[in-house]
Amino acid sequence: AQTVTQSQPEMSVQEAETVTLSCTYDTSESNYYLFWYKQPPSRQMILVIRQEAYKQQNATENRFSVNFQKAAKSFSLKISDSQLGDTAMYFCAFMKLGAGSYQLTFGKGTKLSVIP
Amino acid sequence: GAGVSQSPSNKVTEKGKDVELRCDPISGHTALYWYRQSLGQGLEFLIYFQGNSAPDKSGLPSDRFSAERTGGSVSTLTIQRTQQEDSAVYLCASNRERENEQFFGPGTRLTVL
Repeated sequence: AQTVTQSQPEMSVQEAETVTLSCTYDTSESNYYLFWYKQPPSRQMILVIRQEAYKQQNATENRFSVNFQKAAKSFSLKISDSQLGDTAMYFCAFMKLGAGSYQLTFGKGTKLSVIP
Repeated sequence: GAGVSQSPSNKVTEKGKDVELRCDPISGHTALYWYRQSLGQGLEFLIYFQGNSAPDKSGLPSDRFSAERTGGSVSTLTIQRTQQEDSAVYLCASNRERENEQFFGPGTRLTVL
């Protein structure tokens, strides 16, 4: 079974500053995906960024980037130039690939507040 | 295009009653997932449907929980004899087969009094 740990229940950052959210995971699988999802107060989960485990290059999506350390089983999210709209819960998630269902295993989440 | 929709948005029920939660996936998405989001347990996988294959029910917490998917589209999650610990937000997600991004609905907040 897989586990995902987010050690920061809450974080805050000043608008326009940079913040990093931590995530570690435990798995014996070699083929998987990692994701960061954002959940604003509206409850709608939105994909922020994804990383394929076999790719060494860190994924980037505009102001969002990840630091993927496969050997350390670490997958942190960096948000640059933070904006008020980034205020939300952020969930790190793991998906095993292969036979069977492709359900997501989530961490407990980090509540991020962007301060004007 | 239309996203994943869920109904009702909120549901308040009394302990011991049965409830049905509905999910309409994105058109053309063959995979459908149910998750439960509660304060104590975080986000947990409940059940997965893929086309005409047998569903993966490994995440259902008890036999009071069941789900079906009719015609490969709409899904209903049924909770029988609800308990207070069933209070949570129930999220539905869908995607195309072999795509890794899951698209989520807005969820149903269930409150059991």
